Amino acid sequence: GENVEQHPSTLSVQEGDSAVIKCTYSDSASNYFPWYKQELGKGPQLIIDIRSNVGEKKDQRIAVTLNKTAKHFSLHITETQPEDSAVYFCAAADFPFTGNQFYFGTGTSLTVIP
Amino acid sequence: SQTIHQWPATLVQPVGSPLSLECTVEGTSNPNLYWYRQAAGRGLQLLFYSVGIGQISSEVPQNLSASRPQDRQFILSSKKLLLSDSGFYLCAWRAAPGQGDSPLHFGNGTRLTVT
Repeated sequence: GENVEQHPSTLSVQEGDSAVIKCTYSDSASNYFPWYKQELGKGPQLIIDIRSNVGEKKDQRIAVTLNKTAKHFSLHITETQPEDSAVYFCAAADFPFTGNQFYFGTGTSLTVIP
Repeated sequence: SQTIHQWPATLVQPVGSPLSLECTVEGTSNPNLYWYRQAAGRGLQLLFYSVGIGQISSEVPQNLSASRPQDRQFILSSKKLLLSDSGFYLCAWRAAPGQGDSPLHFGNGTRLTVT
């Protein structure tokens, strides 16, 4: 099955700086890569996703890049703000996946220091 | 639009007591449903998933069970809780394959503390 690795496990940045979180995957069949943000005491919320036919996707201050050849994808947050502090999870799936074929990374705890 | 509801938000139960956590989804039909557990500071562990009424797949053998008595209702149960059952339980749904691309959507979770 798929194996998704996520780094770093913790990340601290100064407010206004950029944050980058990286994930690698093992199964070349994976074609869908979402990112989730989990605030304290809440469920993970989808913040951005990318399909394998796209190399980059942006949504205001967040962007995701995908390198299919190297099997890695990254989340980029620019101009970080304290409200960006949360745990971020990457995931990989082979759309249209069935059942349990949705694989999460182990999470990155991001702290934005005011 | 689709919404997912989980309750209760927090629960404190003694060891050996039963458990029932409920999750319902609105605004969609025949969703795939999931139960995840998250230990403090840890990642997401898939416990059960269901692709239809009465169809439950277990990912981790343990003290818990799941049931899907109705299309949009998913229940997590235990007959006798263990201390190790403490954690943050998350229900999630996605549209069934063939109903359009859909990622997982999570509820806001139940914080279970077994004392």
